Amino acid sequence: KAGVTQTPRYLIKTRGQQVTLSCSPISGHRSVSWYQQTPGQGLQFLFEYFSETQRNKGNFPGRFSGRQFSNSRSEMNVSTLELGDSALYLCASSSVASARNTEAFFGQGTRLTVV
Amino acid sequence: DAKTTQPPSMDCAEGRAANLPCNHSTISGNEYVYWYRQIHSQGPQYIIHGLKNNETNEMASLIITEDRKSSTLILPHATLRDTAVYYCIVVIYNAGNMLTFGGGTRLMVKP
Repeated sequence: KAGVTQTPRYLIKTRGQQVTLSCSPISGHRSVSWYQQTPGQGLQFLFEYFSETQRNKGNFPGRFSGRQFSNSRSEMNVSTLELGDSALYLCASSSVASARNTEAFFGQGTRLTVV
Repeated sequence: DAKTTQPPSMDCAEGRAANLPCNHSTISGNEYVYWYRQIHSQGPQYIIHGLKNNETNEMASLIITEDRKSSTLILPHATLRDTAVYYCIVVIYNAGNMLTFGGGTRLMVKP
């Protein structure tokens, strides 16, 4: 079956602009999480959605937001882009609601460059 | 903050076993130990997880100490394709799909 698909793979934006990234989870997976990876901070959890509701949120400013649709596809939005938002944004999906016997499947990521 | 401590880097000879340690001395009774790896420029890949018993799958073995304060991931016959950053993560049961990554161990498999 198809894996987690993230679009676009690469993106260049200007400071002050906003950006929307998309994630299509594995069919049947209802949990979608987003992560930011930078050389300085490593992999950091942004937020998780389950059944269209945000269930967990990391320590990021309100400029970072997300949503999940009824088909479990998810989008994340970053407004008023800053140079420090340049990063690899990763999406992960999983099939069950709890940590027991679950694994997260990651997409290839969207590399965002802010200039 | 990550609740695990791992050595920043390790080397292993191709064909030999790679033993990657992880310290999680503050782990709670309802937390699992998960291992992921990230090959350069790709998304992390799940390897294995466990609660208190040792676990084995087609990729690796996970040995958890009796007091659960540390664990070791074993790749029995490392290949060059196993060169990656390996992350040890503790995950609360029923907390959802939320992973707190630390710095991981950069494993270099050498010919």
